[in-house]
Amino acid sequence: SQTIHQWPATLVQPVGSPLSLECTVEGTSNPNLYWYRQAAGRGLQLLFYSVGIGQISSEVPQNLSASRPQDRQFILSSKKLLLSDSGFYLCAWSEIPGSEQYFGPGTRLTVT
Amino acid sequence: AQKVTQAQTEISVVEKEDVTLDCVYETRDTTYYLFWYKQPPSGELVFLIRRNSFDEQNEISGRYSWNFQKSTSSFNFTITASQVVDSAVYFCALSEVNYGGSQGNLIFGKGTKLSVKP
Repeated sequence: SQTIHQWPATLVQPVGSPLSLECTVEGTSNPNLYWYRQAAGRGLQLLFYSVGIGQISSEVPQNLSASRPQDRQFILSSKKLLLSDSGFYLCAWSEIPGSEQYFGPGTRLTVT
Repeated sequence: AQKVTQAQTEISVVEKEDVTLDCVYETRDTTYYLFWYKQPPSGELVFLIRRNSFDEQNEISGRYSWNFQKSTSSFNFTITASQVVDSAVYFCALSEVNYGGSQGNLIFGKGTKLSVKP
């Protein structure tokens, strides 16, 4: 069966510090991968998606970036965090574009 | 334009009551998928169901049931005999097959927070 992991689970970082969140999927090949952010108010905002290694598309211009160095690894990064980057970050995967997405446990980021 | 509306921001019921969560969608596509997700306090989104646009048959899974009506562009979710463990935020989502692009993004509603009190 497929599983999706995210770490760290929680993170407190000062403004201006770098960020690296990692997501890995097990039990499947060539998954479509997604990064979402959920800020206060509960809405889900799609940040990045990837259909293959090295292929990243951004939905929202911001100071975050994503990379996919391996088939089942998806990384979210920032060189300098802003207060507005605080939120709950969720990674997801799907087998087919448009089909159901399966979410990881999330990372709660607080920027102070 | 594609859009998912969950008009109910918060619902509070007492255990064993039935509760219906509303979802109304807008799409330009003739082929699409609809989804429901549950987000308990722990935060992880849990996939509950996917419904294809060409299949209007209602679905029942234990205490959960889903009513899909293309005529009203609605995909409502009913929990029968609610329990405290049903307390969560529930999201409805849409993906368009022909207009969704290669990434097939899911368009989420803003969610309905359900509180079930003992």
